[in-house]
This record gives sequence, structure tokens and C-alpha cells, in this order.
Amino acid sequence: DTAVSQTPKYLVTQMGNDKSIKCEQNLGHDTMYWYKQDSKKFLKIMFSYNNKELIINETVPNRFSPKSPDKAHLNLHINSLELGDSAVYFCASSQDRNSPLHFGNGTRLTVT
Amino acid sequence: GDSVTQMEGPVTLSEEAFLTINCTYTATGYPSLFWYVQYPGEGLQLLLKATKADDKGSNKGFEATYRKETTSFHLEKGSVQVSDSAVYFCALSDRGYGGSQGNLIFGKGTKLSVKP
Repeated sequence: DTAVSQTPKYLVTQMGNDKSIKCEQNLGHDTMYWYKQDSKKFLKIMFSYNNKELIINETVPNRFSPKSPDKAHLNLHINSLELGDSAVYFCASSQDRNSPLHFGNGTRLTVT
Repeated sequence: GDSVTQMEGPVTLSEEAFLTINCTYTATGYPSLFWYVQYPGEGLQLLLKATKADDKGSNKGFEATYRKETTSFHLEKGSVQVSDSAVYFCALSDRGYGGSQGNLIFGKGTKLSVKP
């Protein structure tokens, strides 16, 4: 009965590969987000979707492409992975943009 | 641009000690302010929030008051427990009044360890 679930929990891959991280929420929320937490623990928003529509797209390389097949899912696809992409990626959701965020447990991506 | 500065961690306290984690912010307009907590192996959870000056957010014995004059939102708890060990993040929302959390700007996080 996890509210916001991400898979995988850990992802180790080599430079140049393409990988995806999946996120699902069973809270019935309309808005979903991707955040990146770097090695210094800084958390920065990457994307936000509302009802499958992109509403926030911060300065993120276009190698990162979010995909929202439906309101309950927001997947993150990363092409041509680079060393600097190593981080913990958090998915989150909220009922709307005025409601608290519910975070997943994070996906630790390591690029070697 | 808007930013949040938190005190550097880690902070180590004995059980029942008083906790203060400092947080100051820089923002244009009127941000809403938040504290999130991340327990080991979990995602962040909203701990408390304040949407306008002089508001006090409180939850689970934690409190923080929105001080516009000092641009601060310090987190306090009178008596910490071992179960409070976690990383605490101060954040602001740059979307103005209403507590919109569409674009949260986080501080670096402060790790708290409470010893029995």
C-alpha cells in the first residue's frame, strides 16, 4: 500500500547507456514531480506534470525525458548517461500545487 | 535567485535535549516556508509549514515561526527522541501566497542524530 513507489531502488550502469526510472502513485493525485538530490544533498526540481501535462521543466539536459502515460505514473528516461548524472532521484506527487508533496523513497543512480 | 541556507550538520544530541536547526532564506515576493524530514531509507515527508509572516507551523512537537524581519524559519523541539534521528530540510516555495509547492527550493539538509 505504498503511496509513491519508485523502481528500481538502486541503479548502477555505465556511461553512455540509456536507463529509465519508474514512478507510480496510488493517492489519486493530479500532480507529479521529479527531483534530483546530488552528492551534497542539494534537492532540485527537474520536472512537474499536472494531469499528464508538463508544467515545470527546469534547466535539465534534454537527455532527460519524462513520460506520463497516465495521471498515476511519471517515468524518467535518461539517454547517454554521464558520470555527473549520478545522484538520488526522487519522485513526488501532490493533489494540486497547493497541497503537500508526498515523496517516494528515491532511486540511487550510479554511473561508472 | 531565491535560496535557502541551513546550518551545517551533523547535529548530535542526547535524548531529551533541546533542538534548534537554523534556517534563513532569500526570496523576492512572499514565499511559503516548509520543513521536510527524511528518515533513513525513506523519502521526504512534510513536517510543518507556514504561509505568511508570524505564522507558526507545528507538528510532532516540532515548531518553526516565519520571521520576515530576520528572514528565518528556525526549527525547534523541546525534547528530542531517538526516533527523531533523520535529515531535516528547510524549503521555500517561490510561488507566493497560498502555500503553493509547485517549485520548492530546498536547503542542503541537516542530519540529526539523537543518542539514548
